[in-house]
Amino acid sequence: SQTIHQWPATLVQPVGSPLSLECTVEGTSNPNLYWYRQAAGRGLQLLFYSVGIGQISSEVPQNLSASRPQDRQFILSSKKLLLSDSGFYLCAWSTGTGSNQPQHFGDGTRLSIL
Amino acid sequence: GQSLEQPSEVTAVEGAIVQINCTYQTSGFYGLSWYQQHDGGAPTFLSYNALDGLEETGRFSSFLSRSDSYGYLLLQELQMKDSASYFCAAPGDNYGQNFVFGPGTRLSVLP
Repeated sequence: SQTIHQWPATLVQPVGSPLSLECTVEGTSNPNLYWYRQAAGRGLQLLFYSVGIGQISSEVPQNLSASRPQDRQFILSSKKLLLSDSGFYLCAWSTGTGSNQPQHFGDGTRLSIL
Repeated sequence: GQSLEQPSEVTAVEGAIVQINCTYQTSGFYGLSWYQQHDGGAPTFLSYNALDGLEETGRFSSFLSRSDSYGYLLLQELQMKDSASYFCAAPGDNYGQNFVFGPGTRLSVLP
């Protein structure tokens, strides 16, 4: 069966520090991968998605970047965190494109910027 | 652009039926999905509609009307554990590769 791992579960970082969040998927090949951010009590905002190794699409201009060095690995990074980067970060995967493909989410990372 | 709208909150009692509506505006349309998210947890997939009509999955059903750009999630025989946020979602403008979520509806089930 397929599983998605996302770590760490919680993270507290000072303003201006770097960030690296990692997400890996097991049990499937060539998944579509997604990074979302969710503010408290709000909906999910798509940050990045990838349909293949090295292919990254950004939905919104921001202080973050994403990379997909391997088929089932998706990394979210920042060189210098801002206060506005606080939130709940969720990684997800789906089998190919198309709305009939449900997205499967990791447990998320709660990021607090001090 | 693309946007989805949902009511922010709905309250109902155990055993009741509740309907959560979603209206959308998209340049292209590839179907409507629904997700459930409990407090502190990750969203989980509930249902999907590509064509008009009702899709039933146990106590949950989802309806779509493409001509009205409208869909809803119907929850029957409500249980306390159904208290959660519910999101409608649709693939985005980039040939369905990206994804857009609605703002979410917080459902509170009262005893």
